[in-house]
Amino acid sequence: DIQMTQSPSSLSASVGDRVTITCRASQSIRTYLNWYQQKPGKAPTLLIYGASSLQSGVPTRFSGSGSGTDFTLTISNLQHEDFATYYCQQSYSTPRYTFGQGTKLDIK
Amino acid sequence: QVQLVQSGAEVKKPGSSVKVSCKASGSTFSSNAINWVRQAPGQGLEWMGRIIPIFGTTDYAQRFQGRVTIFADESTNTAYMDLSNLRSEDTAVYYCARDADYGPHAGFDMWGQGTMVTISS
Repeated sequence: DIQMTQSPSSLSASVGDRVTITCRASQSIRTYLNWYQQKPGKAPTLLIYGASSLQSGVPTRFSGSGSGTDFTLTISNLQHEDFATYYCQQSYSTPRYTFGQGTKLDIK
Repeated sequence: QVQLVQSGAEVKKPGSSVKVSCKASGSTFSSNAINWVRQAPGQGLEWMGRIIPIFGTTDYAQRFQGRVTIFADESTNTAYMDLSNLRSEDTAVYYCARDADYGPHAGFDMWGQGTMVTISS
């Protein structure tokens, strides 16, 4: 199975900050990388698919980049509602999907 | 508005089985796969398997092979996940999630609300 490793595991930031979360795949996954946001007690929601395509309805302060093995999720101008846990997911070896371990973003 | 609505919380004994349902309300099943993903308390997301309801084809994660069965009833637009031989490590929230309309590489664009399954003697 393709292993996905996120860093950092947790991150503290303030409203208005710009933050970056990294996801690394154990082998090349081209651009088959998706990002999710999950709030406590809720199901995840899709933010970014195909490494850089914004899912409909997602604010433009979210952006994704990368290809091959290294990917980033950037959140500009952090808002209160962005404090959550973020997961990357590879969809290269469909349907053998695997997720990163998550990055918890909380308020500094 | 299409929604995935899951069945309620379950408490099961070790060695027993659990069946969780996922109903697509407001729509009929399309060619989008329905996936099952679980999340143990305080842990990350783990893909378990999927079904493409209109074809009935299934795929399972290797670690659940032989213990999980996913099936669907097109007449009621409901998918099911059956997990057998339960152990304490199966305590988790179980989610169903639909492949995005752009295809299986584009992530899961719709999720059920989750079903808490607790394994306890």
